[in-house]
Amino acid sequence: GAGVSQSPRYKVAKRGQDVALRCDPISGHVSLFWYQQALGQGPEFLTYFQNEAQLDKSGLPSDRFFAERPEGSVSTLKIQRTQQEDSAVYLCASTPGGGRGYTFGSGTRLTVV
Amino acid sequence: AQKITQTQPGMFVQEKEAVTLDCTYDTSDPSYGLFWYKQPSSGEMIFLIYQGSYDQQNATEGRYSLNFQKARKSANLVISASQLGDSAMYFCAMREGGSNYKLTFGKGTLLTVNP
Repeated sequence: GAGVSQSPRYKVAKRGQDVALRCDPISGHVSLFWYQQALGQGPEFLTYFQNEAQLDKSGLPSDRFFAERPEGSVSTLKIQRTQQEDSAVYLCASTPGGGRGYTFGSGTRLTVV
Repeated sequence: AQKITQTQPGMFVQEKEAVTLDCTYDTSDPSYGLFWYKQPSSGEMIFLIYQGSYDQQNATEGRYSLNFQKARKSANLVISASQLGDSAMYFCAMREGGSNYKLTFGKGTLLTVNP
């Protein structure tokens, strides 16, 4: 596609619910990143994929967070048993390589009530 | 220690004037990249400008220029001839290493352009 597509755009979850956030990167982009952006803050790194391999998951805040990219294209970020502190915007970015050209999606705003 | 520091939580500028947004960074890696992104209230992160650590000249992209002072580890964004549509959050970010890897962001500066 022309850009990075994220869905849903908004998600309201009751505390304790599981949620799944989808990222569809630019076609052919090898690398994919997930970020969490709390209100009024800069994005914080969560995890990084190169093709289908998850090379870095050091930013995932707890074992309730899980990400996958099984075919090296679409990625899903899953949050189990959501808590209020999970409320944030979740941004996905992809890049073809070379250390520049990071394109971000519009994000999913998750609100846990 | 923070890797990216943006010391200006908010900035105001008059329309048509120039404004400088500050960014300092911390890394021991000789190869790195510096980025500026704009985030309007709608939420998308819009790429503005990139500077590589080995680039000899300051980067420019239209009304945006990056004042890169390597010895001082600063990478300030200069916006010339501000427009009302420039009102947004601005983030400085760094990629360490020469290869494809994560960006580390600062806390951002909220720029307001007054008519």
